[in-house]
Amino acid sequence: GAGVSQSPSNKVTEKGKDVELRCDPISGHTALYWYRQSLGQGLEFLIYFQGNSAPDKSGLPSDRFSAERTGGSVSTLTIQRTQQEDSAVYLCASSSWTSGGPDTQYFGPGTRLTVL
Amino acid sequence: QKEVEQNSGPLSVPEGAIASLNCTYSDRGSQSFFWYRQYSGKSPELIMFIYSNGDKEDGRFTAQLNKASQYVSLLIRDSQPSDSATYLCAVNNRGSTLGRLYFGRGTQLTVWP
Repeated sequence: GAGVSQSPSNKVTEKGKDVELRCDPISGHTALYWYRQSLGQGLEFLIYFQGNSAPDKSGLPSDRFSAERTGGSVSTLTIQRTQQEDSAVYLCASSSWTSGGPDTQYFGPGTRLTVL
Repeated sequence: QKEVEQNSGPLSVPEGAIASLNCTYSDRGSQSFFWYRQYSGKSPELIMFIYSNGDKEDGRFTAQLNKASQYVSLLIRDSQPSDSATYLCAVNNRGSTLGRLYFGRGTQLTVWP
């Protein structure tokens, strides 16, 4: 079956511009996560959506970052007034938690963002 | 502050050897533990998870968990050059099996023919 998809795969933008990154989770998965990975660094959590619950935004690094998830499926991560330090690979993951089991997250291919 | 520590490596083993990857975590309440493999330029892919003390085997891979020592490891038997990648250890939240994962920085493994 189809996995997590993300678009665009690469995005080059100028400092100060806004960007939107899209994630389409695995069909039926109720949870959706955004992480980012800078060169040589581990994965940094950004935000988590679970069903109709309020999202966990505790990882967003500044108020320039926001995300929404429409209809419990597709999610968009928006970065306003991009800065060079925002350059990273942005990874989306989704999961379908079943009672009694661990919440296993499956990752999309990522969007490589370069801010010039 | 939740922390997940891994030996950064690089770890280099010959083909056919056992590769041992280690991970420690600081949050004693963590309940689920995951190993992901990440090839250069690719996204992480799940190898296996473990949430009970002891060993869990899946093919050439064995995960070992010791909650008392806050230690989880991954053994790769009969290592192959195709196993060359960065291995990421991840743990979940205290008291819950849901939600964000905390990742280590990864251990780079090279298997030479």
